[in-house]
Amino acid sequence: LAKTTQPISMDSYEGQEVNITCSHNNIATNDYITWYQQFPSQGPRFIIQGYKTKVTNEVASLFIPADRKSSTLSLPRVSLSDTAVYYCLVAPHGSGNTGKLIFGQGTTLQVKP
Amino acid sequence: NAGVTQTPKFQVLKTGQSMTLQCAQDMNHEYMSWYRQDPGMGLRLIHYSVGAGITDQGEVPNGYNVSRSTTEDFPLRLLSAAPSQTSVYFCASSWGQDNEKLFFGSGTQLSVL
Repeated sequence: LAKTTQPISMDSYEGQEVNITCSHNNIATNDYITWYQQFPSQGPRFIIQGYKTKVTNEVASLFIPADRKSSTLSLPRVSLSDTAVYYCLVAPHGSGNTGKLIFGQGTTLQVKP
Repeated sequence: NAGVTQTPKFQVLKTGQSMTLQCAQDMNHEYMSWYRQDPGMGLRLIHYSVGAGITDQGEVPNGYNVSRSTTEDFPLRLLSAAPSQTSVYFCASSWGQDNEKLFFGSGTQLSVL
């Protein structure tokens, strides 16, 4: 299983773009990269998933370079409500997945007014 | 759909007591898992199940038992509670072929005195 490394915490201001990078140097060929968001006193929720290049949805963008050894979650124009913990998860997709899904420590994003 | 339902939301136990944390999902998900979350530790996998009748250990299984007799339910049992088990517990579920896209419950806050 690929081990992930993220910054423990980040600060930003409202209206700025925030980029959170996750390192996964030993990512395997069939691993996908999945990001979660967790607000205080709630369970995490799925944000975005990708395999390579760029993925965008209504919440965020995910950038994955060609070597796939890292990935960057990009949150455009953050607001106070984006204050949360963000987790990067790397695991095989579909039938290659044994089910042992290990999360890292996550990145605590604090958005200031 | 109610999604993933955890009960109780809060529980206080004395050392040595036993109890069961309940988790139920109504999405016909094959995969279910239990995590604990401690301050500064992120999410740690306790046990998981890839289908009814199948369970396996995660990162921190000691002191916990699970069973999966139905697709819908995945209870977590504490046999003899210890103060080290004071934590927030999250149950999650997902589709078998896409099981890294987890749906989490709202959590159970457990205190062991």
